[in-house]
Amino acid sequence: DTGVSQDPRHKITKRGQNVTFRCDPISEHNRLYWYRQTLGQGPEFLTYFQNEAQLEKSRLLSDRFSAERPKGSFSTLEIQRTEQGDSAMYLCATPGQVNTGELFFGEGSRLTVL
Amino acid sequence: AQKITQTQPGMFVQEKEAVTLDCTYDTSDQSYGLFWYKQPSSGEMIFLIYQGSYDEQNATEGRYSLNFQKARKSANLVISASQLGDSAMYFCAMREGGYQKVTFGTGTKLQVIP
Repeated sequence: DTGVSQDPRHKITKRGQNVTFRCDPISEHNRLYWYRQTLGQGPEFLTYFQNEAQLEKSRLLSDRFSAERPKGSFSTLEIQRTEQGDSAMYLCATPGQVNTGELFFGEGSRLTVL
Repeated sequence: AQKITQTQPGMFVQEKEAVTLDCTYDTSDQSYGLFWYKQPSSGEMIFLIYQGSYDEQNATEGRYSLNFQKARKSANLVISASQLGDSAMYFCAMREGGYQKVTFGTGTKLQVIP
């Protein structure tokens, strides 16, 4: 158990629909990260939060993507007007030790866009 | 240029034997961290081991060791006494300097044969 809960675990949607994923760290962390993993690839960085502030965004995060962390605890990732290319696993992560920087990932939310 | 290169898409190893998974990296930073993660078929990303760029000794965690050769920019993972449960995808990753983003390689699929 990594201490990161993600919901839903699986989401199937039609192209053009909006979807939202939620990430709940069990314990408090000032940093929270979102990654995306497509089939056959390693995870790719999307964005990260320091408390409620979104401090870095990848160019992979198009205008259709928005992430929030309103109270510095849980976070949501919304994708508007989904496209088939959005089909992927969306992973949330929290940091491990401060001096090493490893990440602990949740089990992910798998999105399939039909 | 790829920041993390894993040249072995797939590897087989006999149970109880040792196996080395290759990873090379590219960075101009003096301070960086290297990580290995395991991803079983169930999908969760499991942190295995960390090596800091200033660490003089190779990292070890149980049956996992990281063969760090700084001049060659390689960070190979060695798994000793392979077990059937070691069958999974293995990802090498790097965090550079003060950045929060962790960059992953494309992974190596390890299959342990009874």
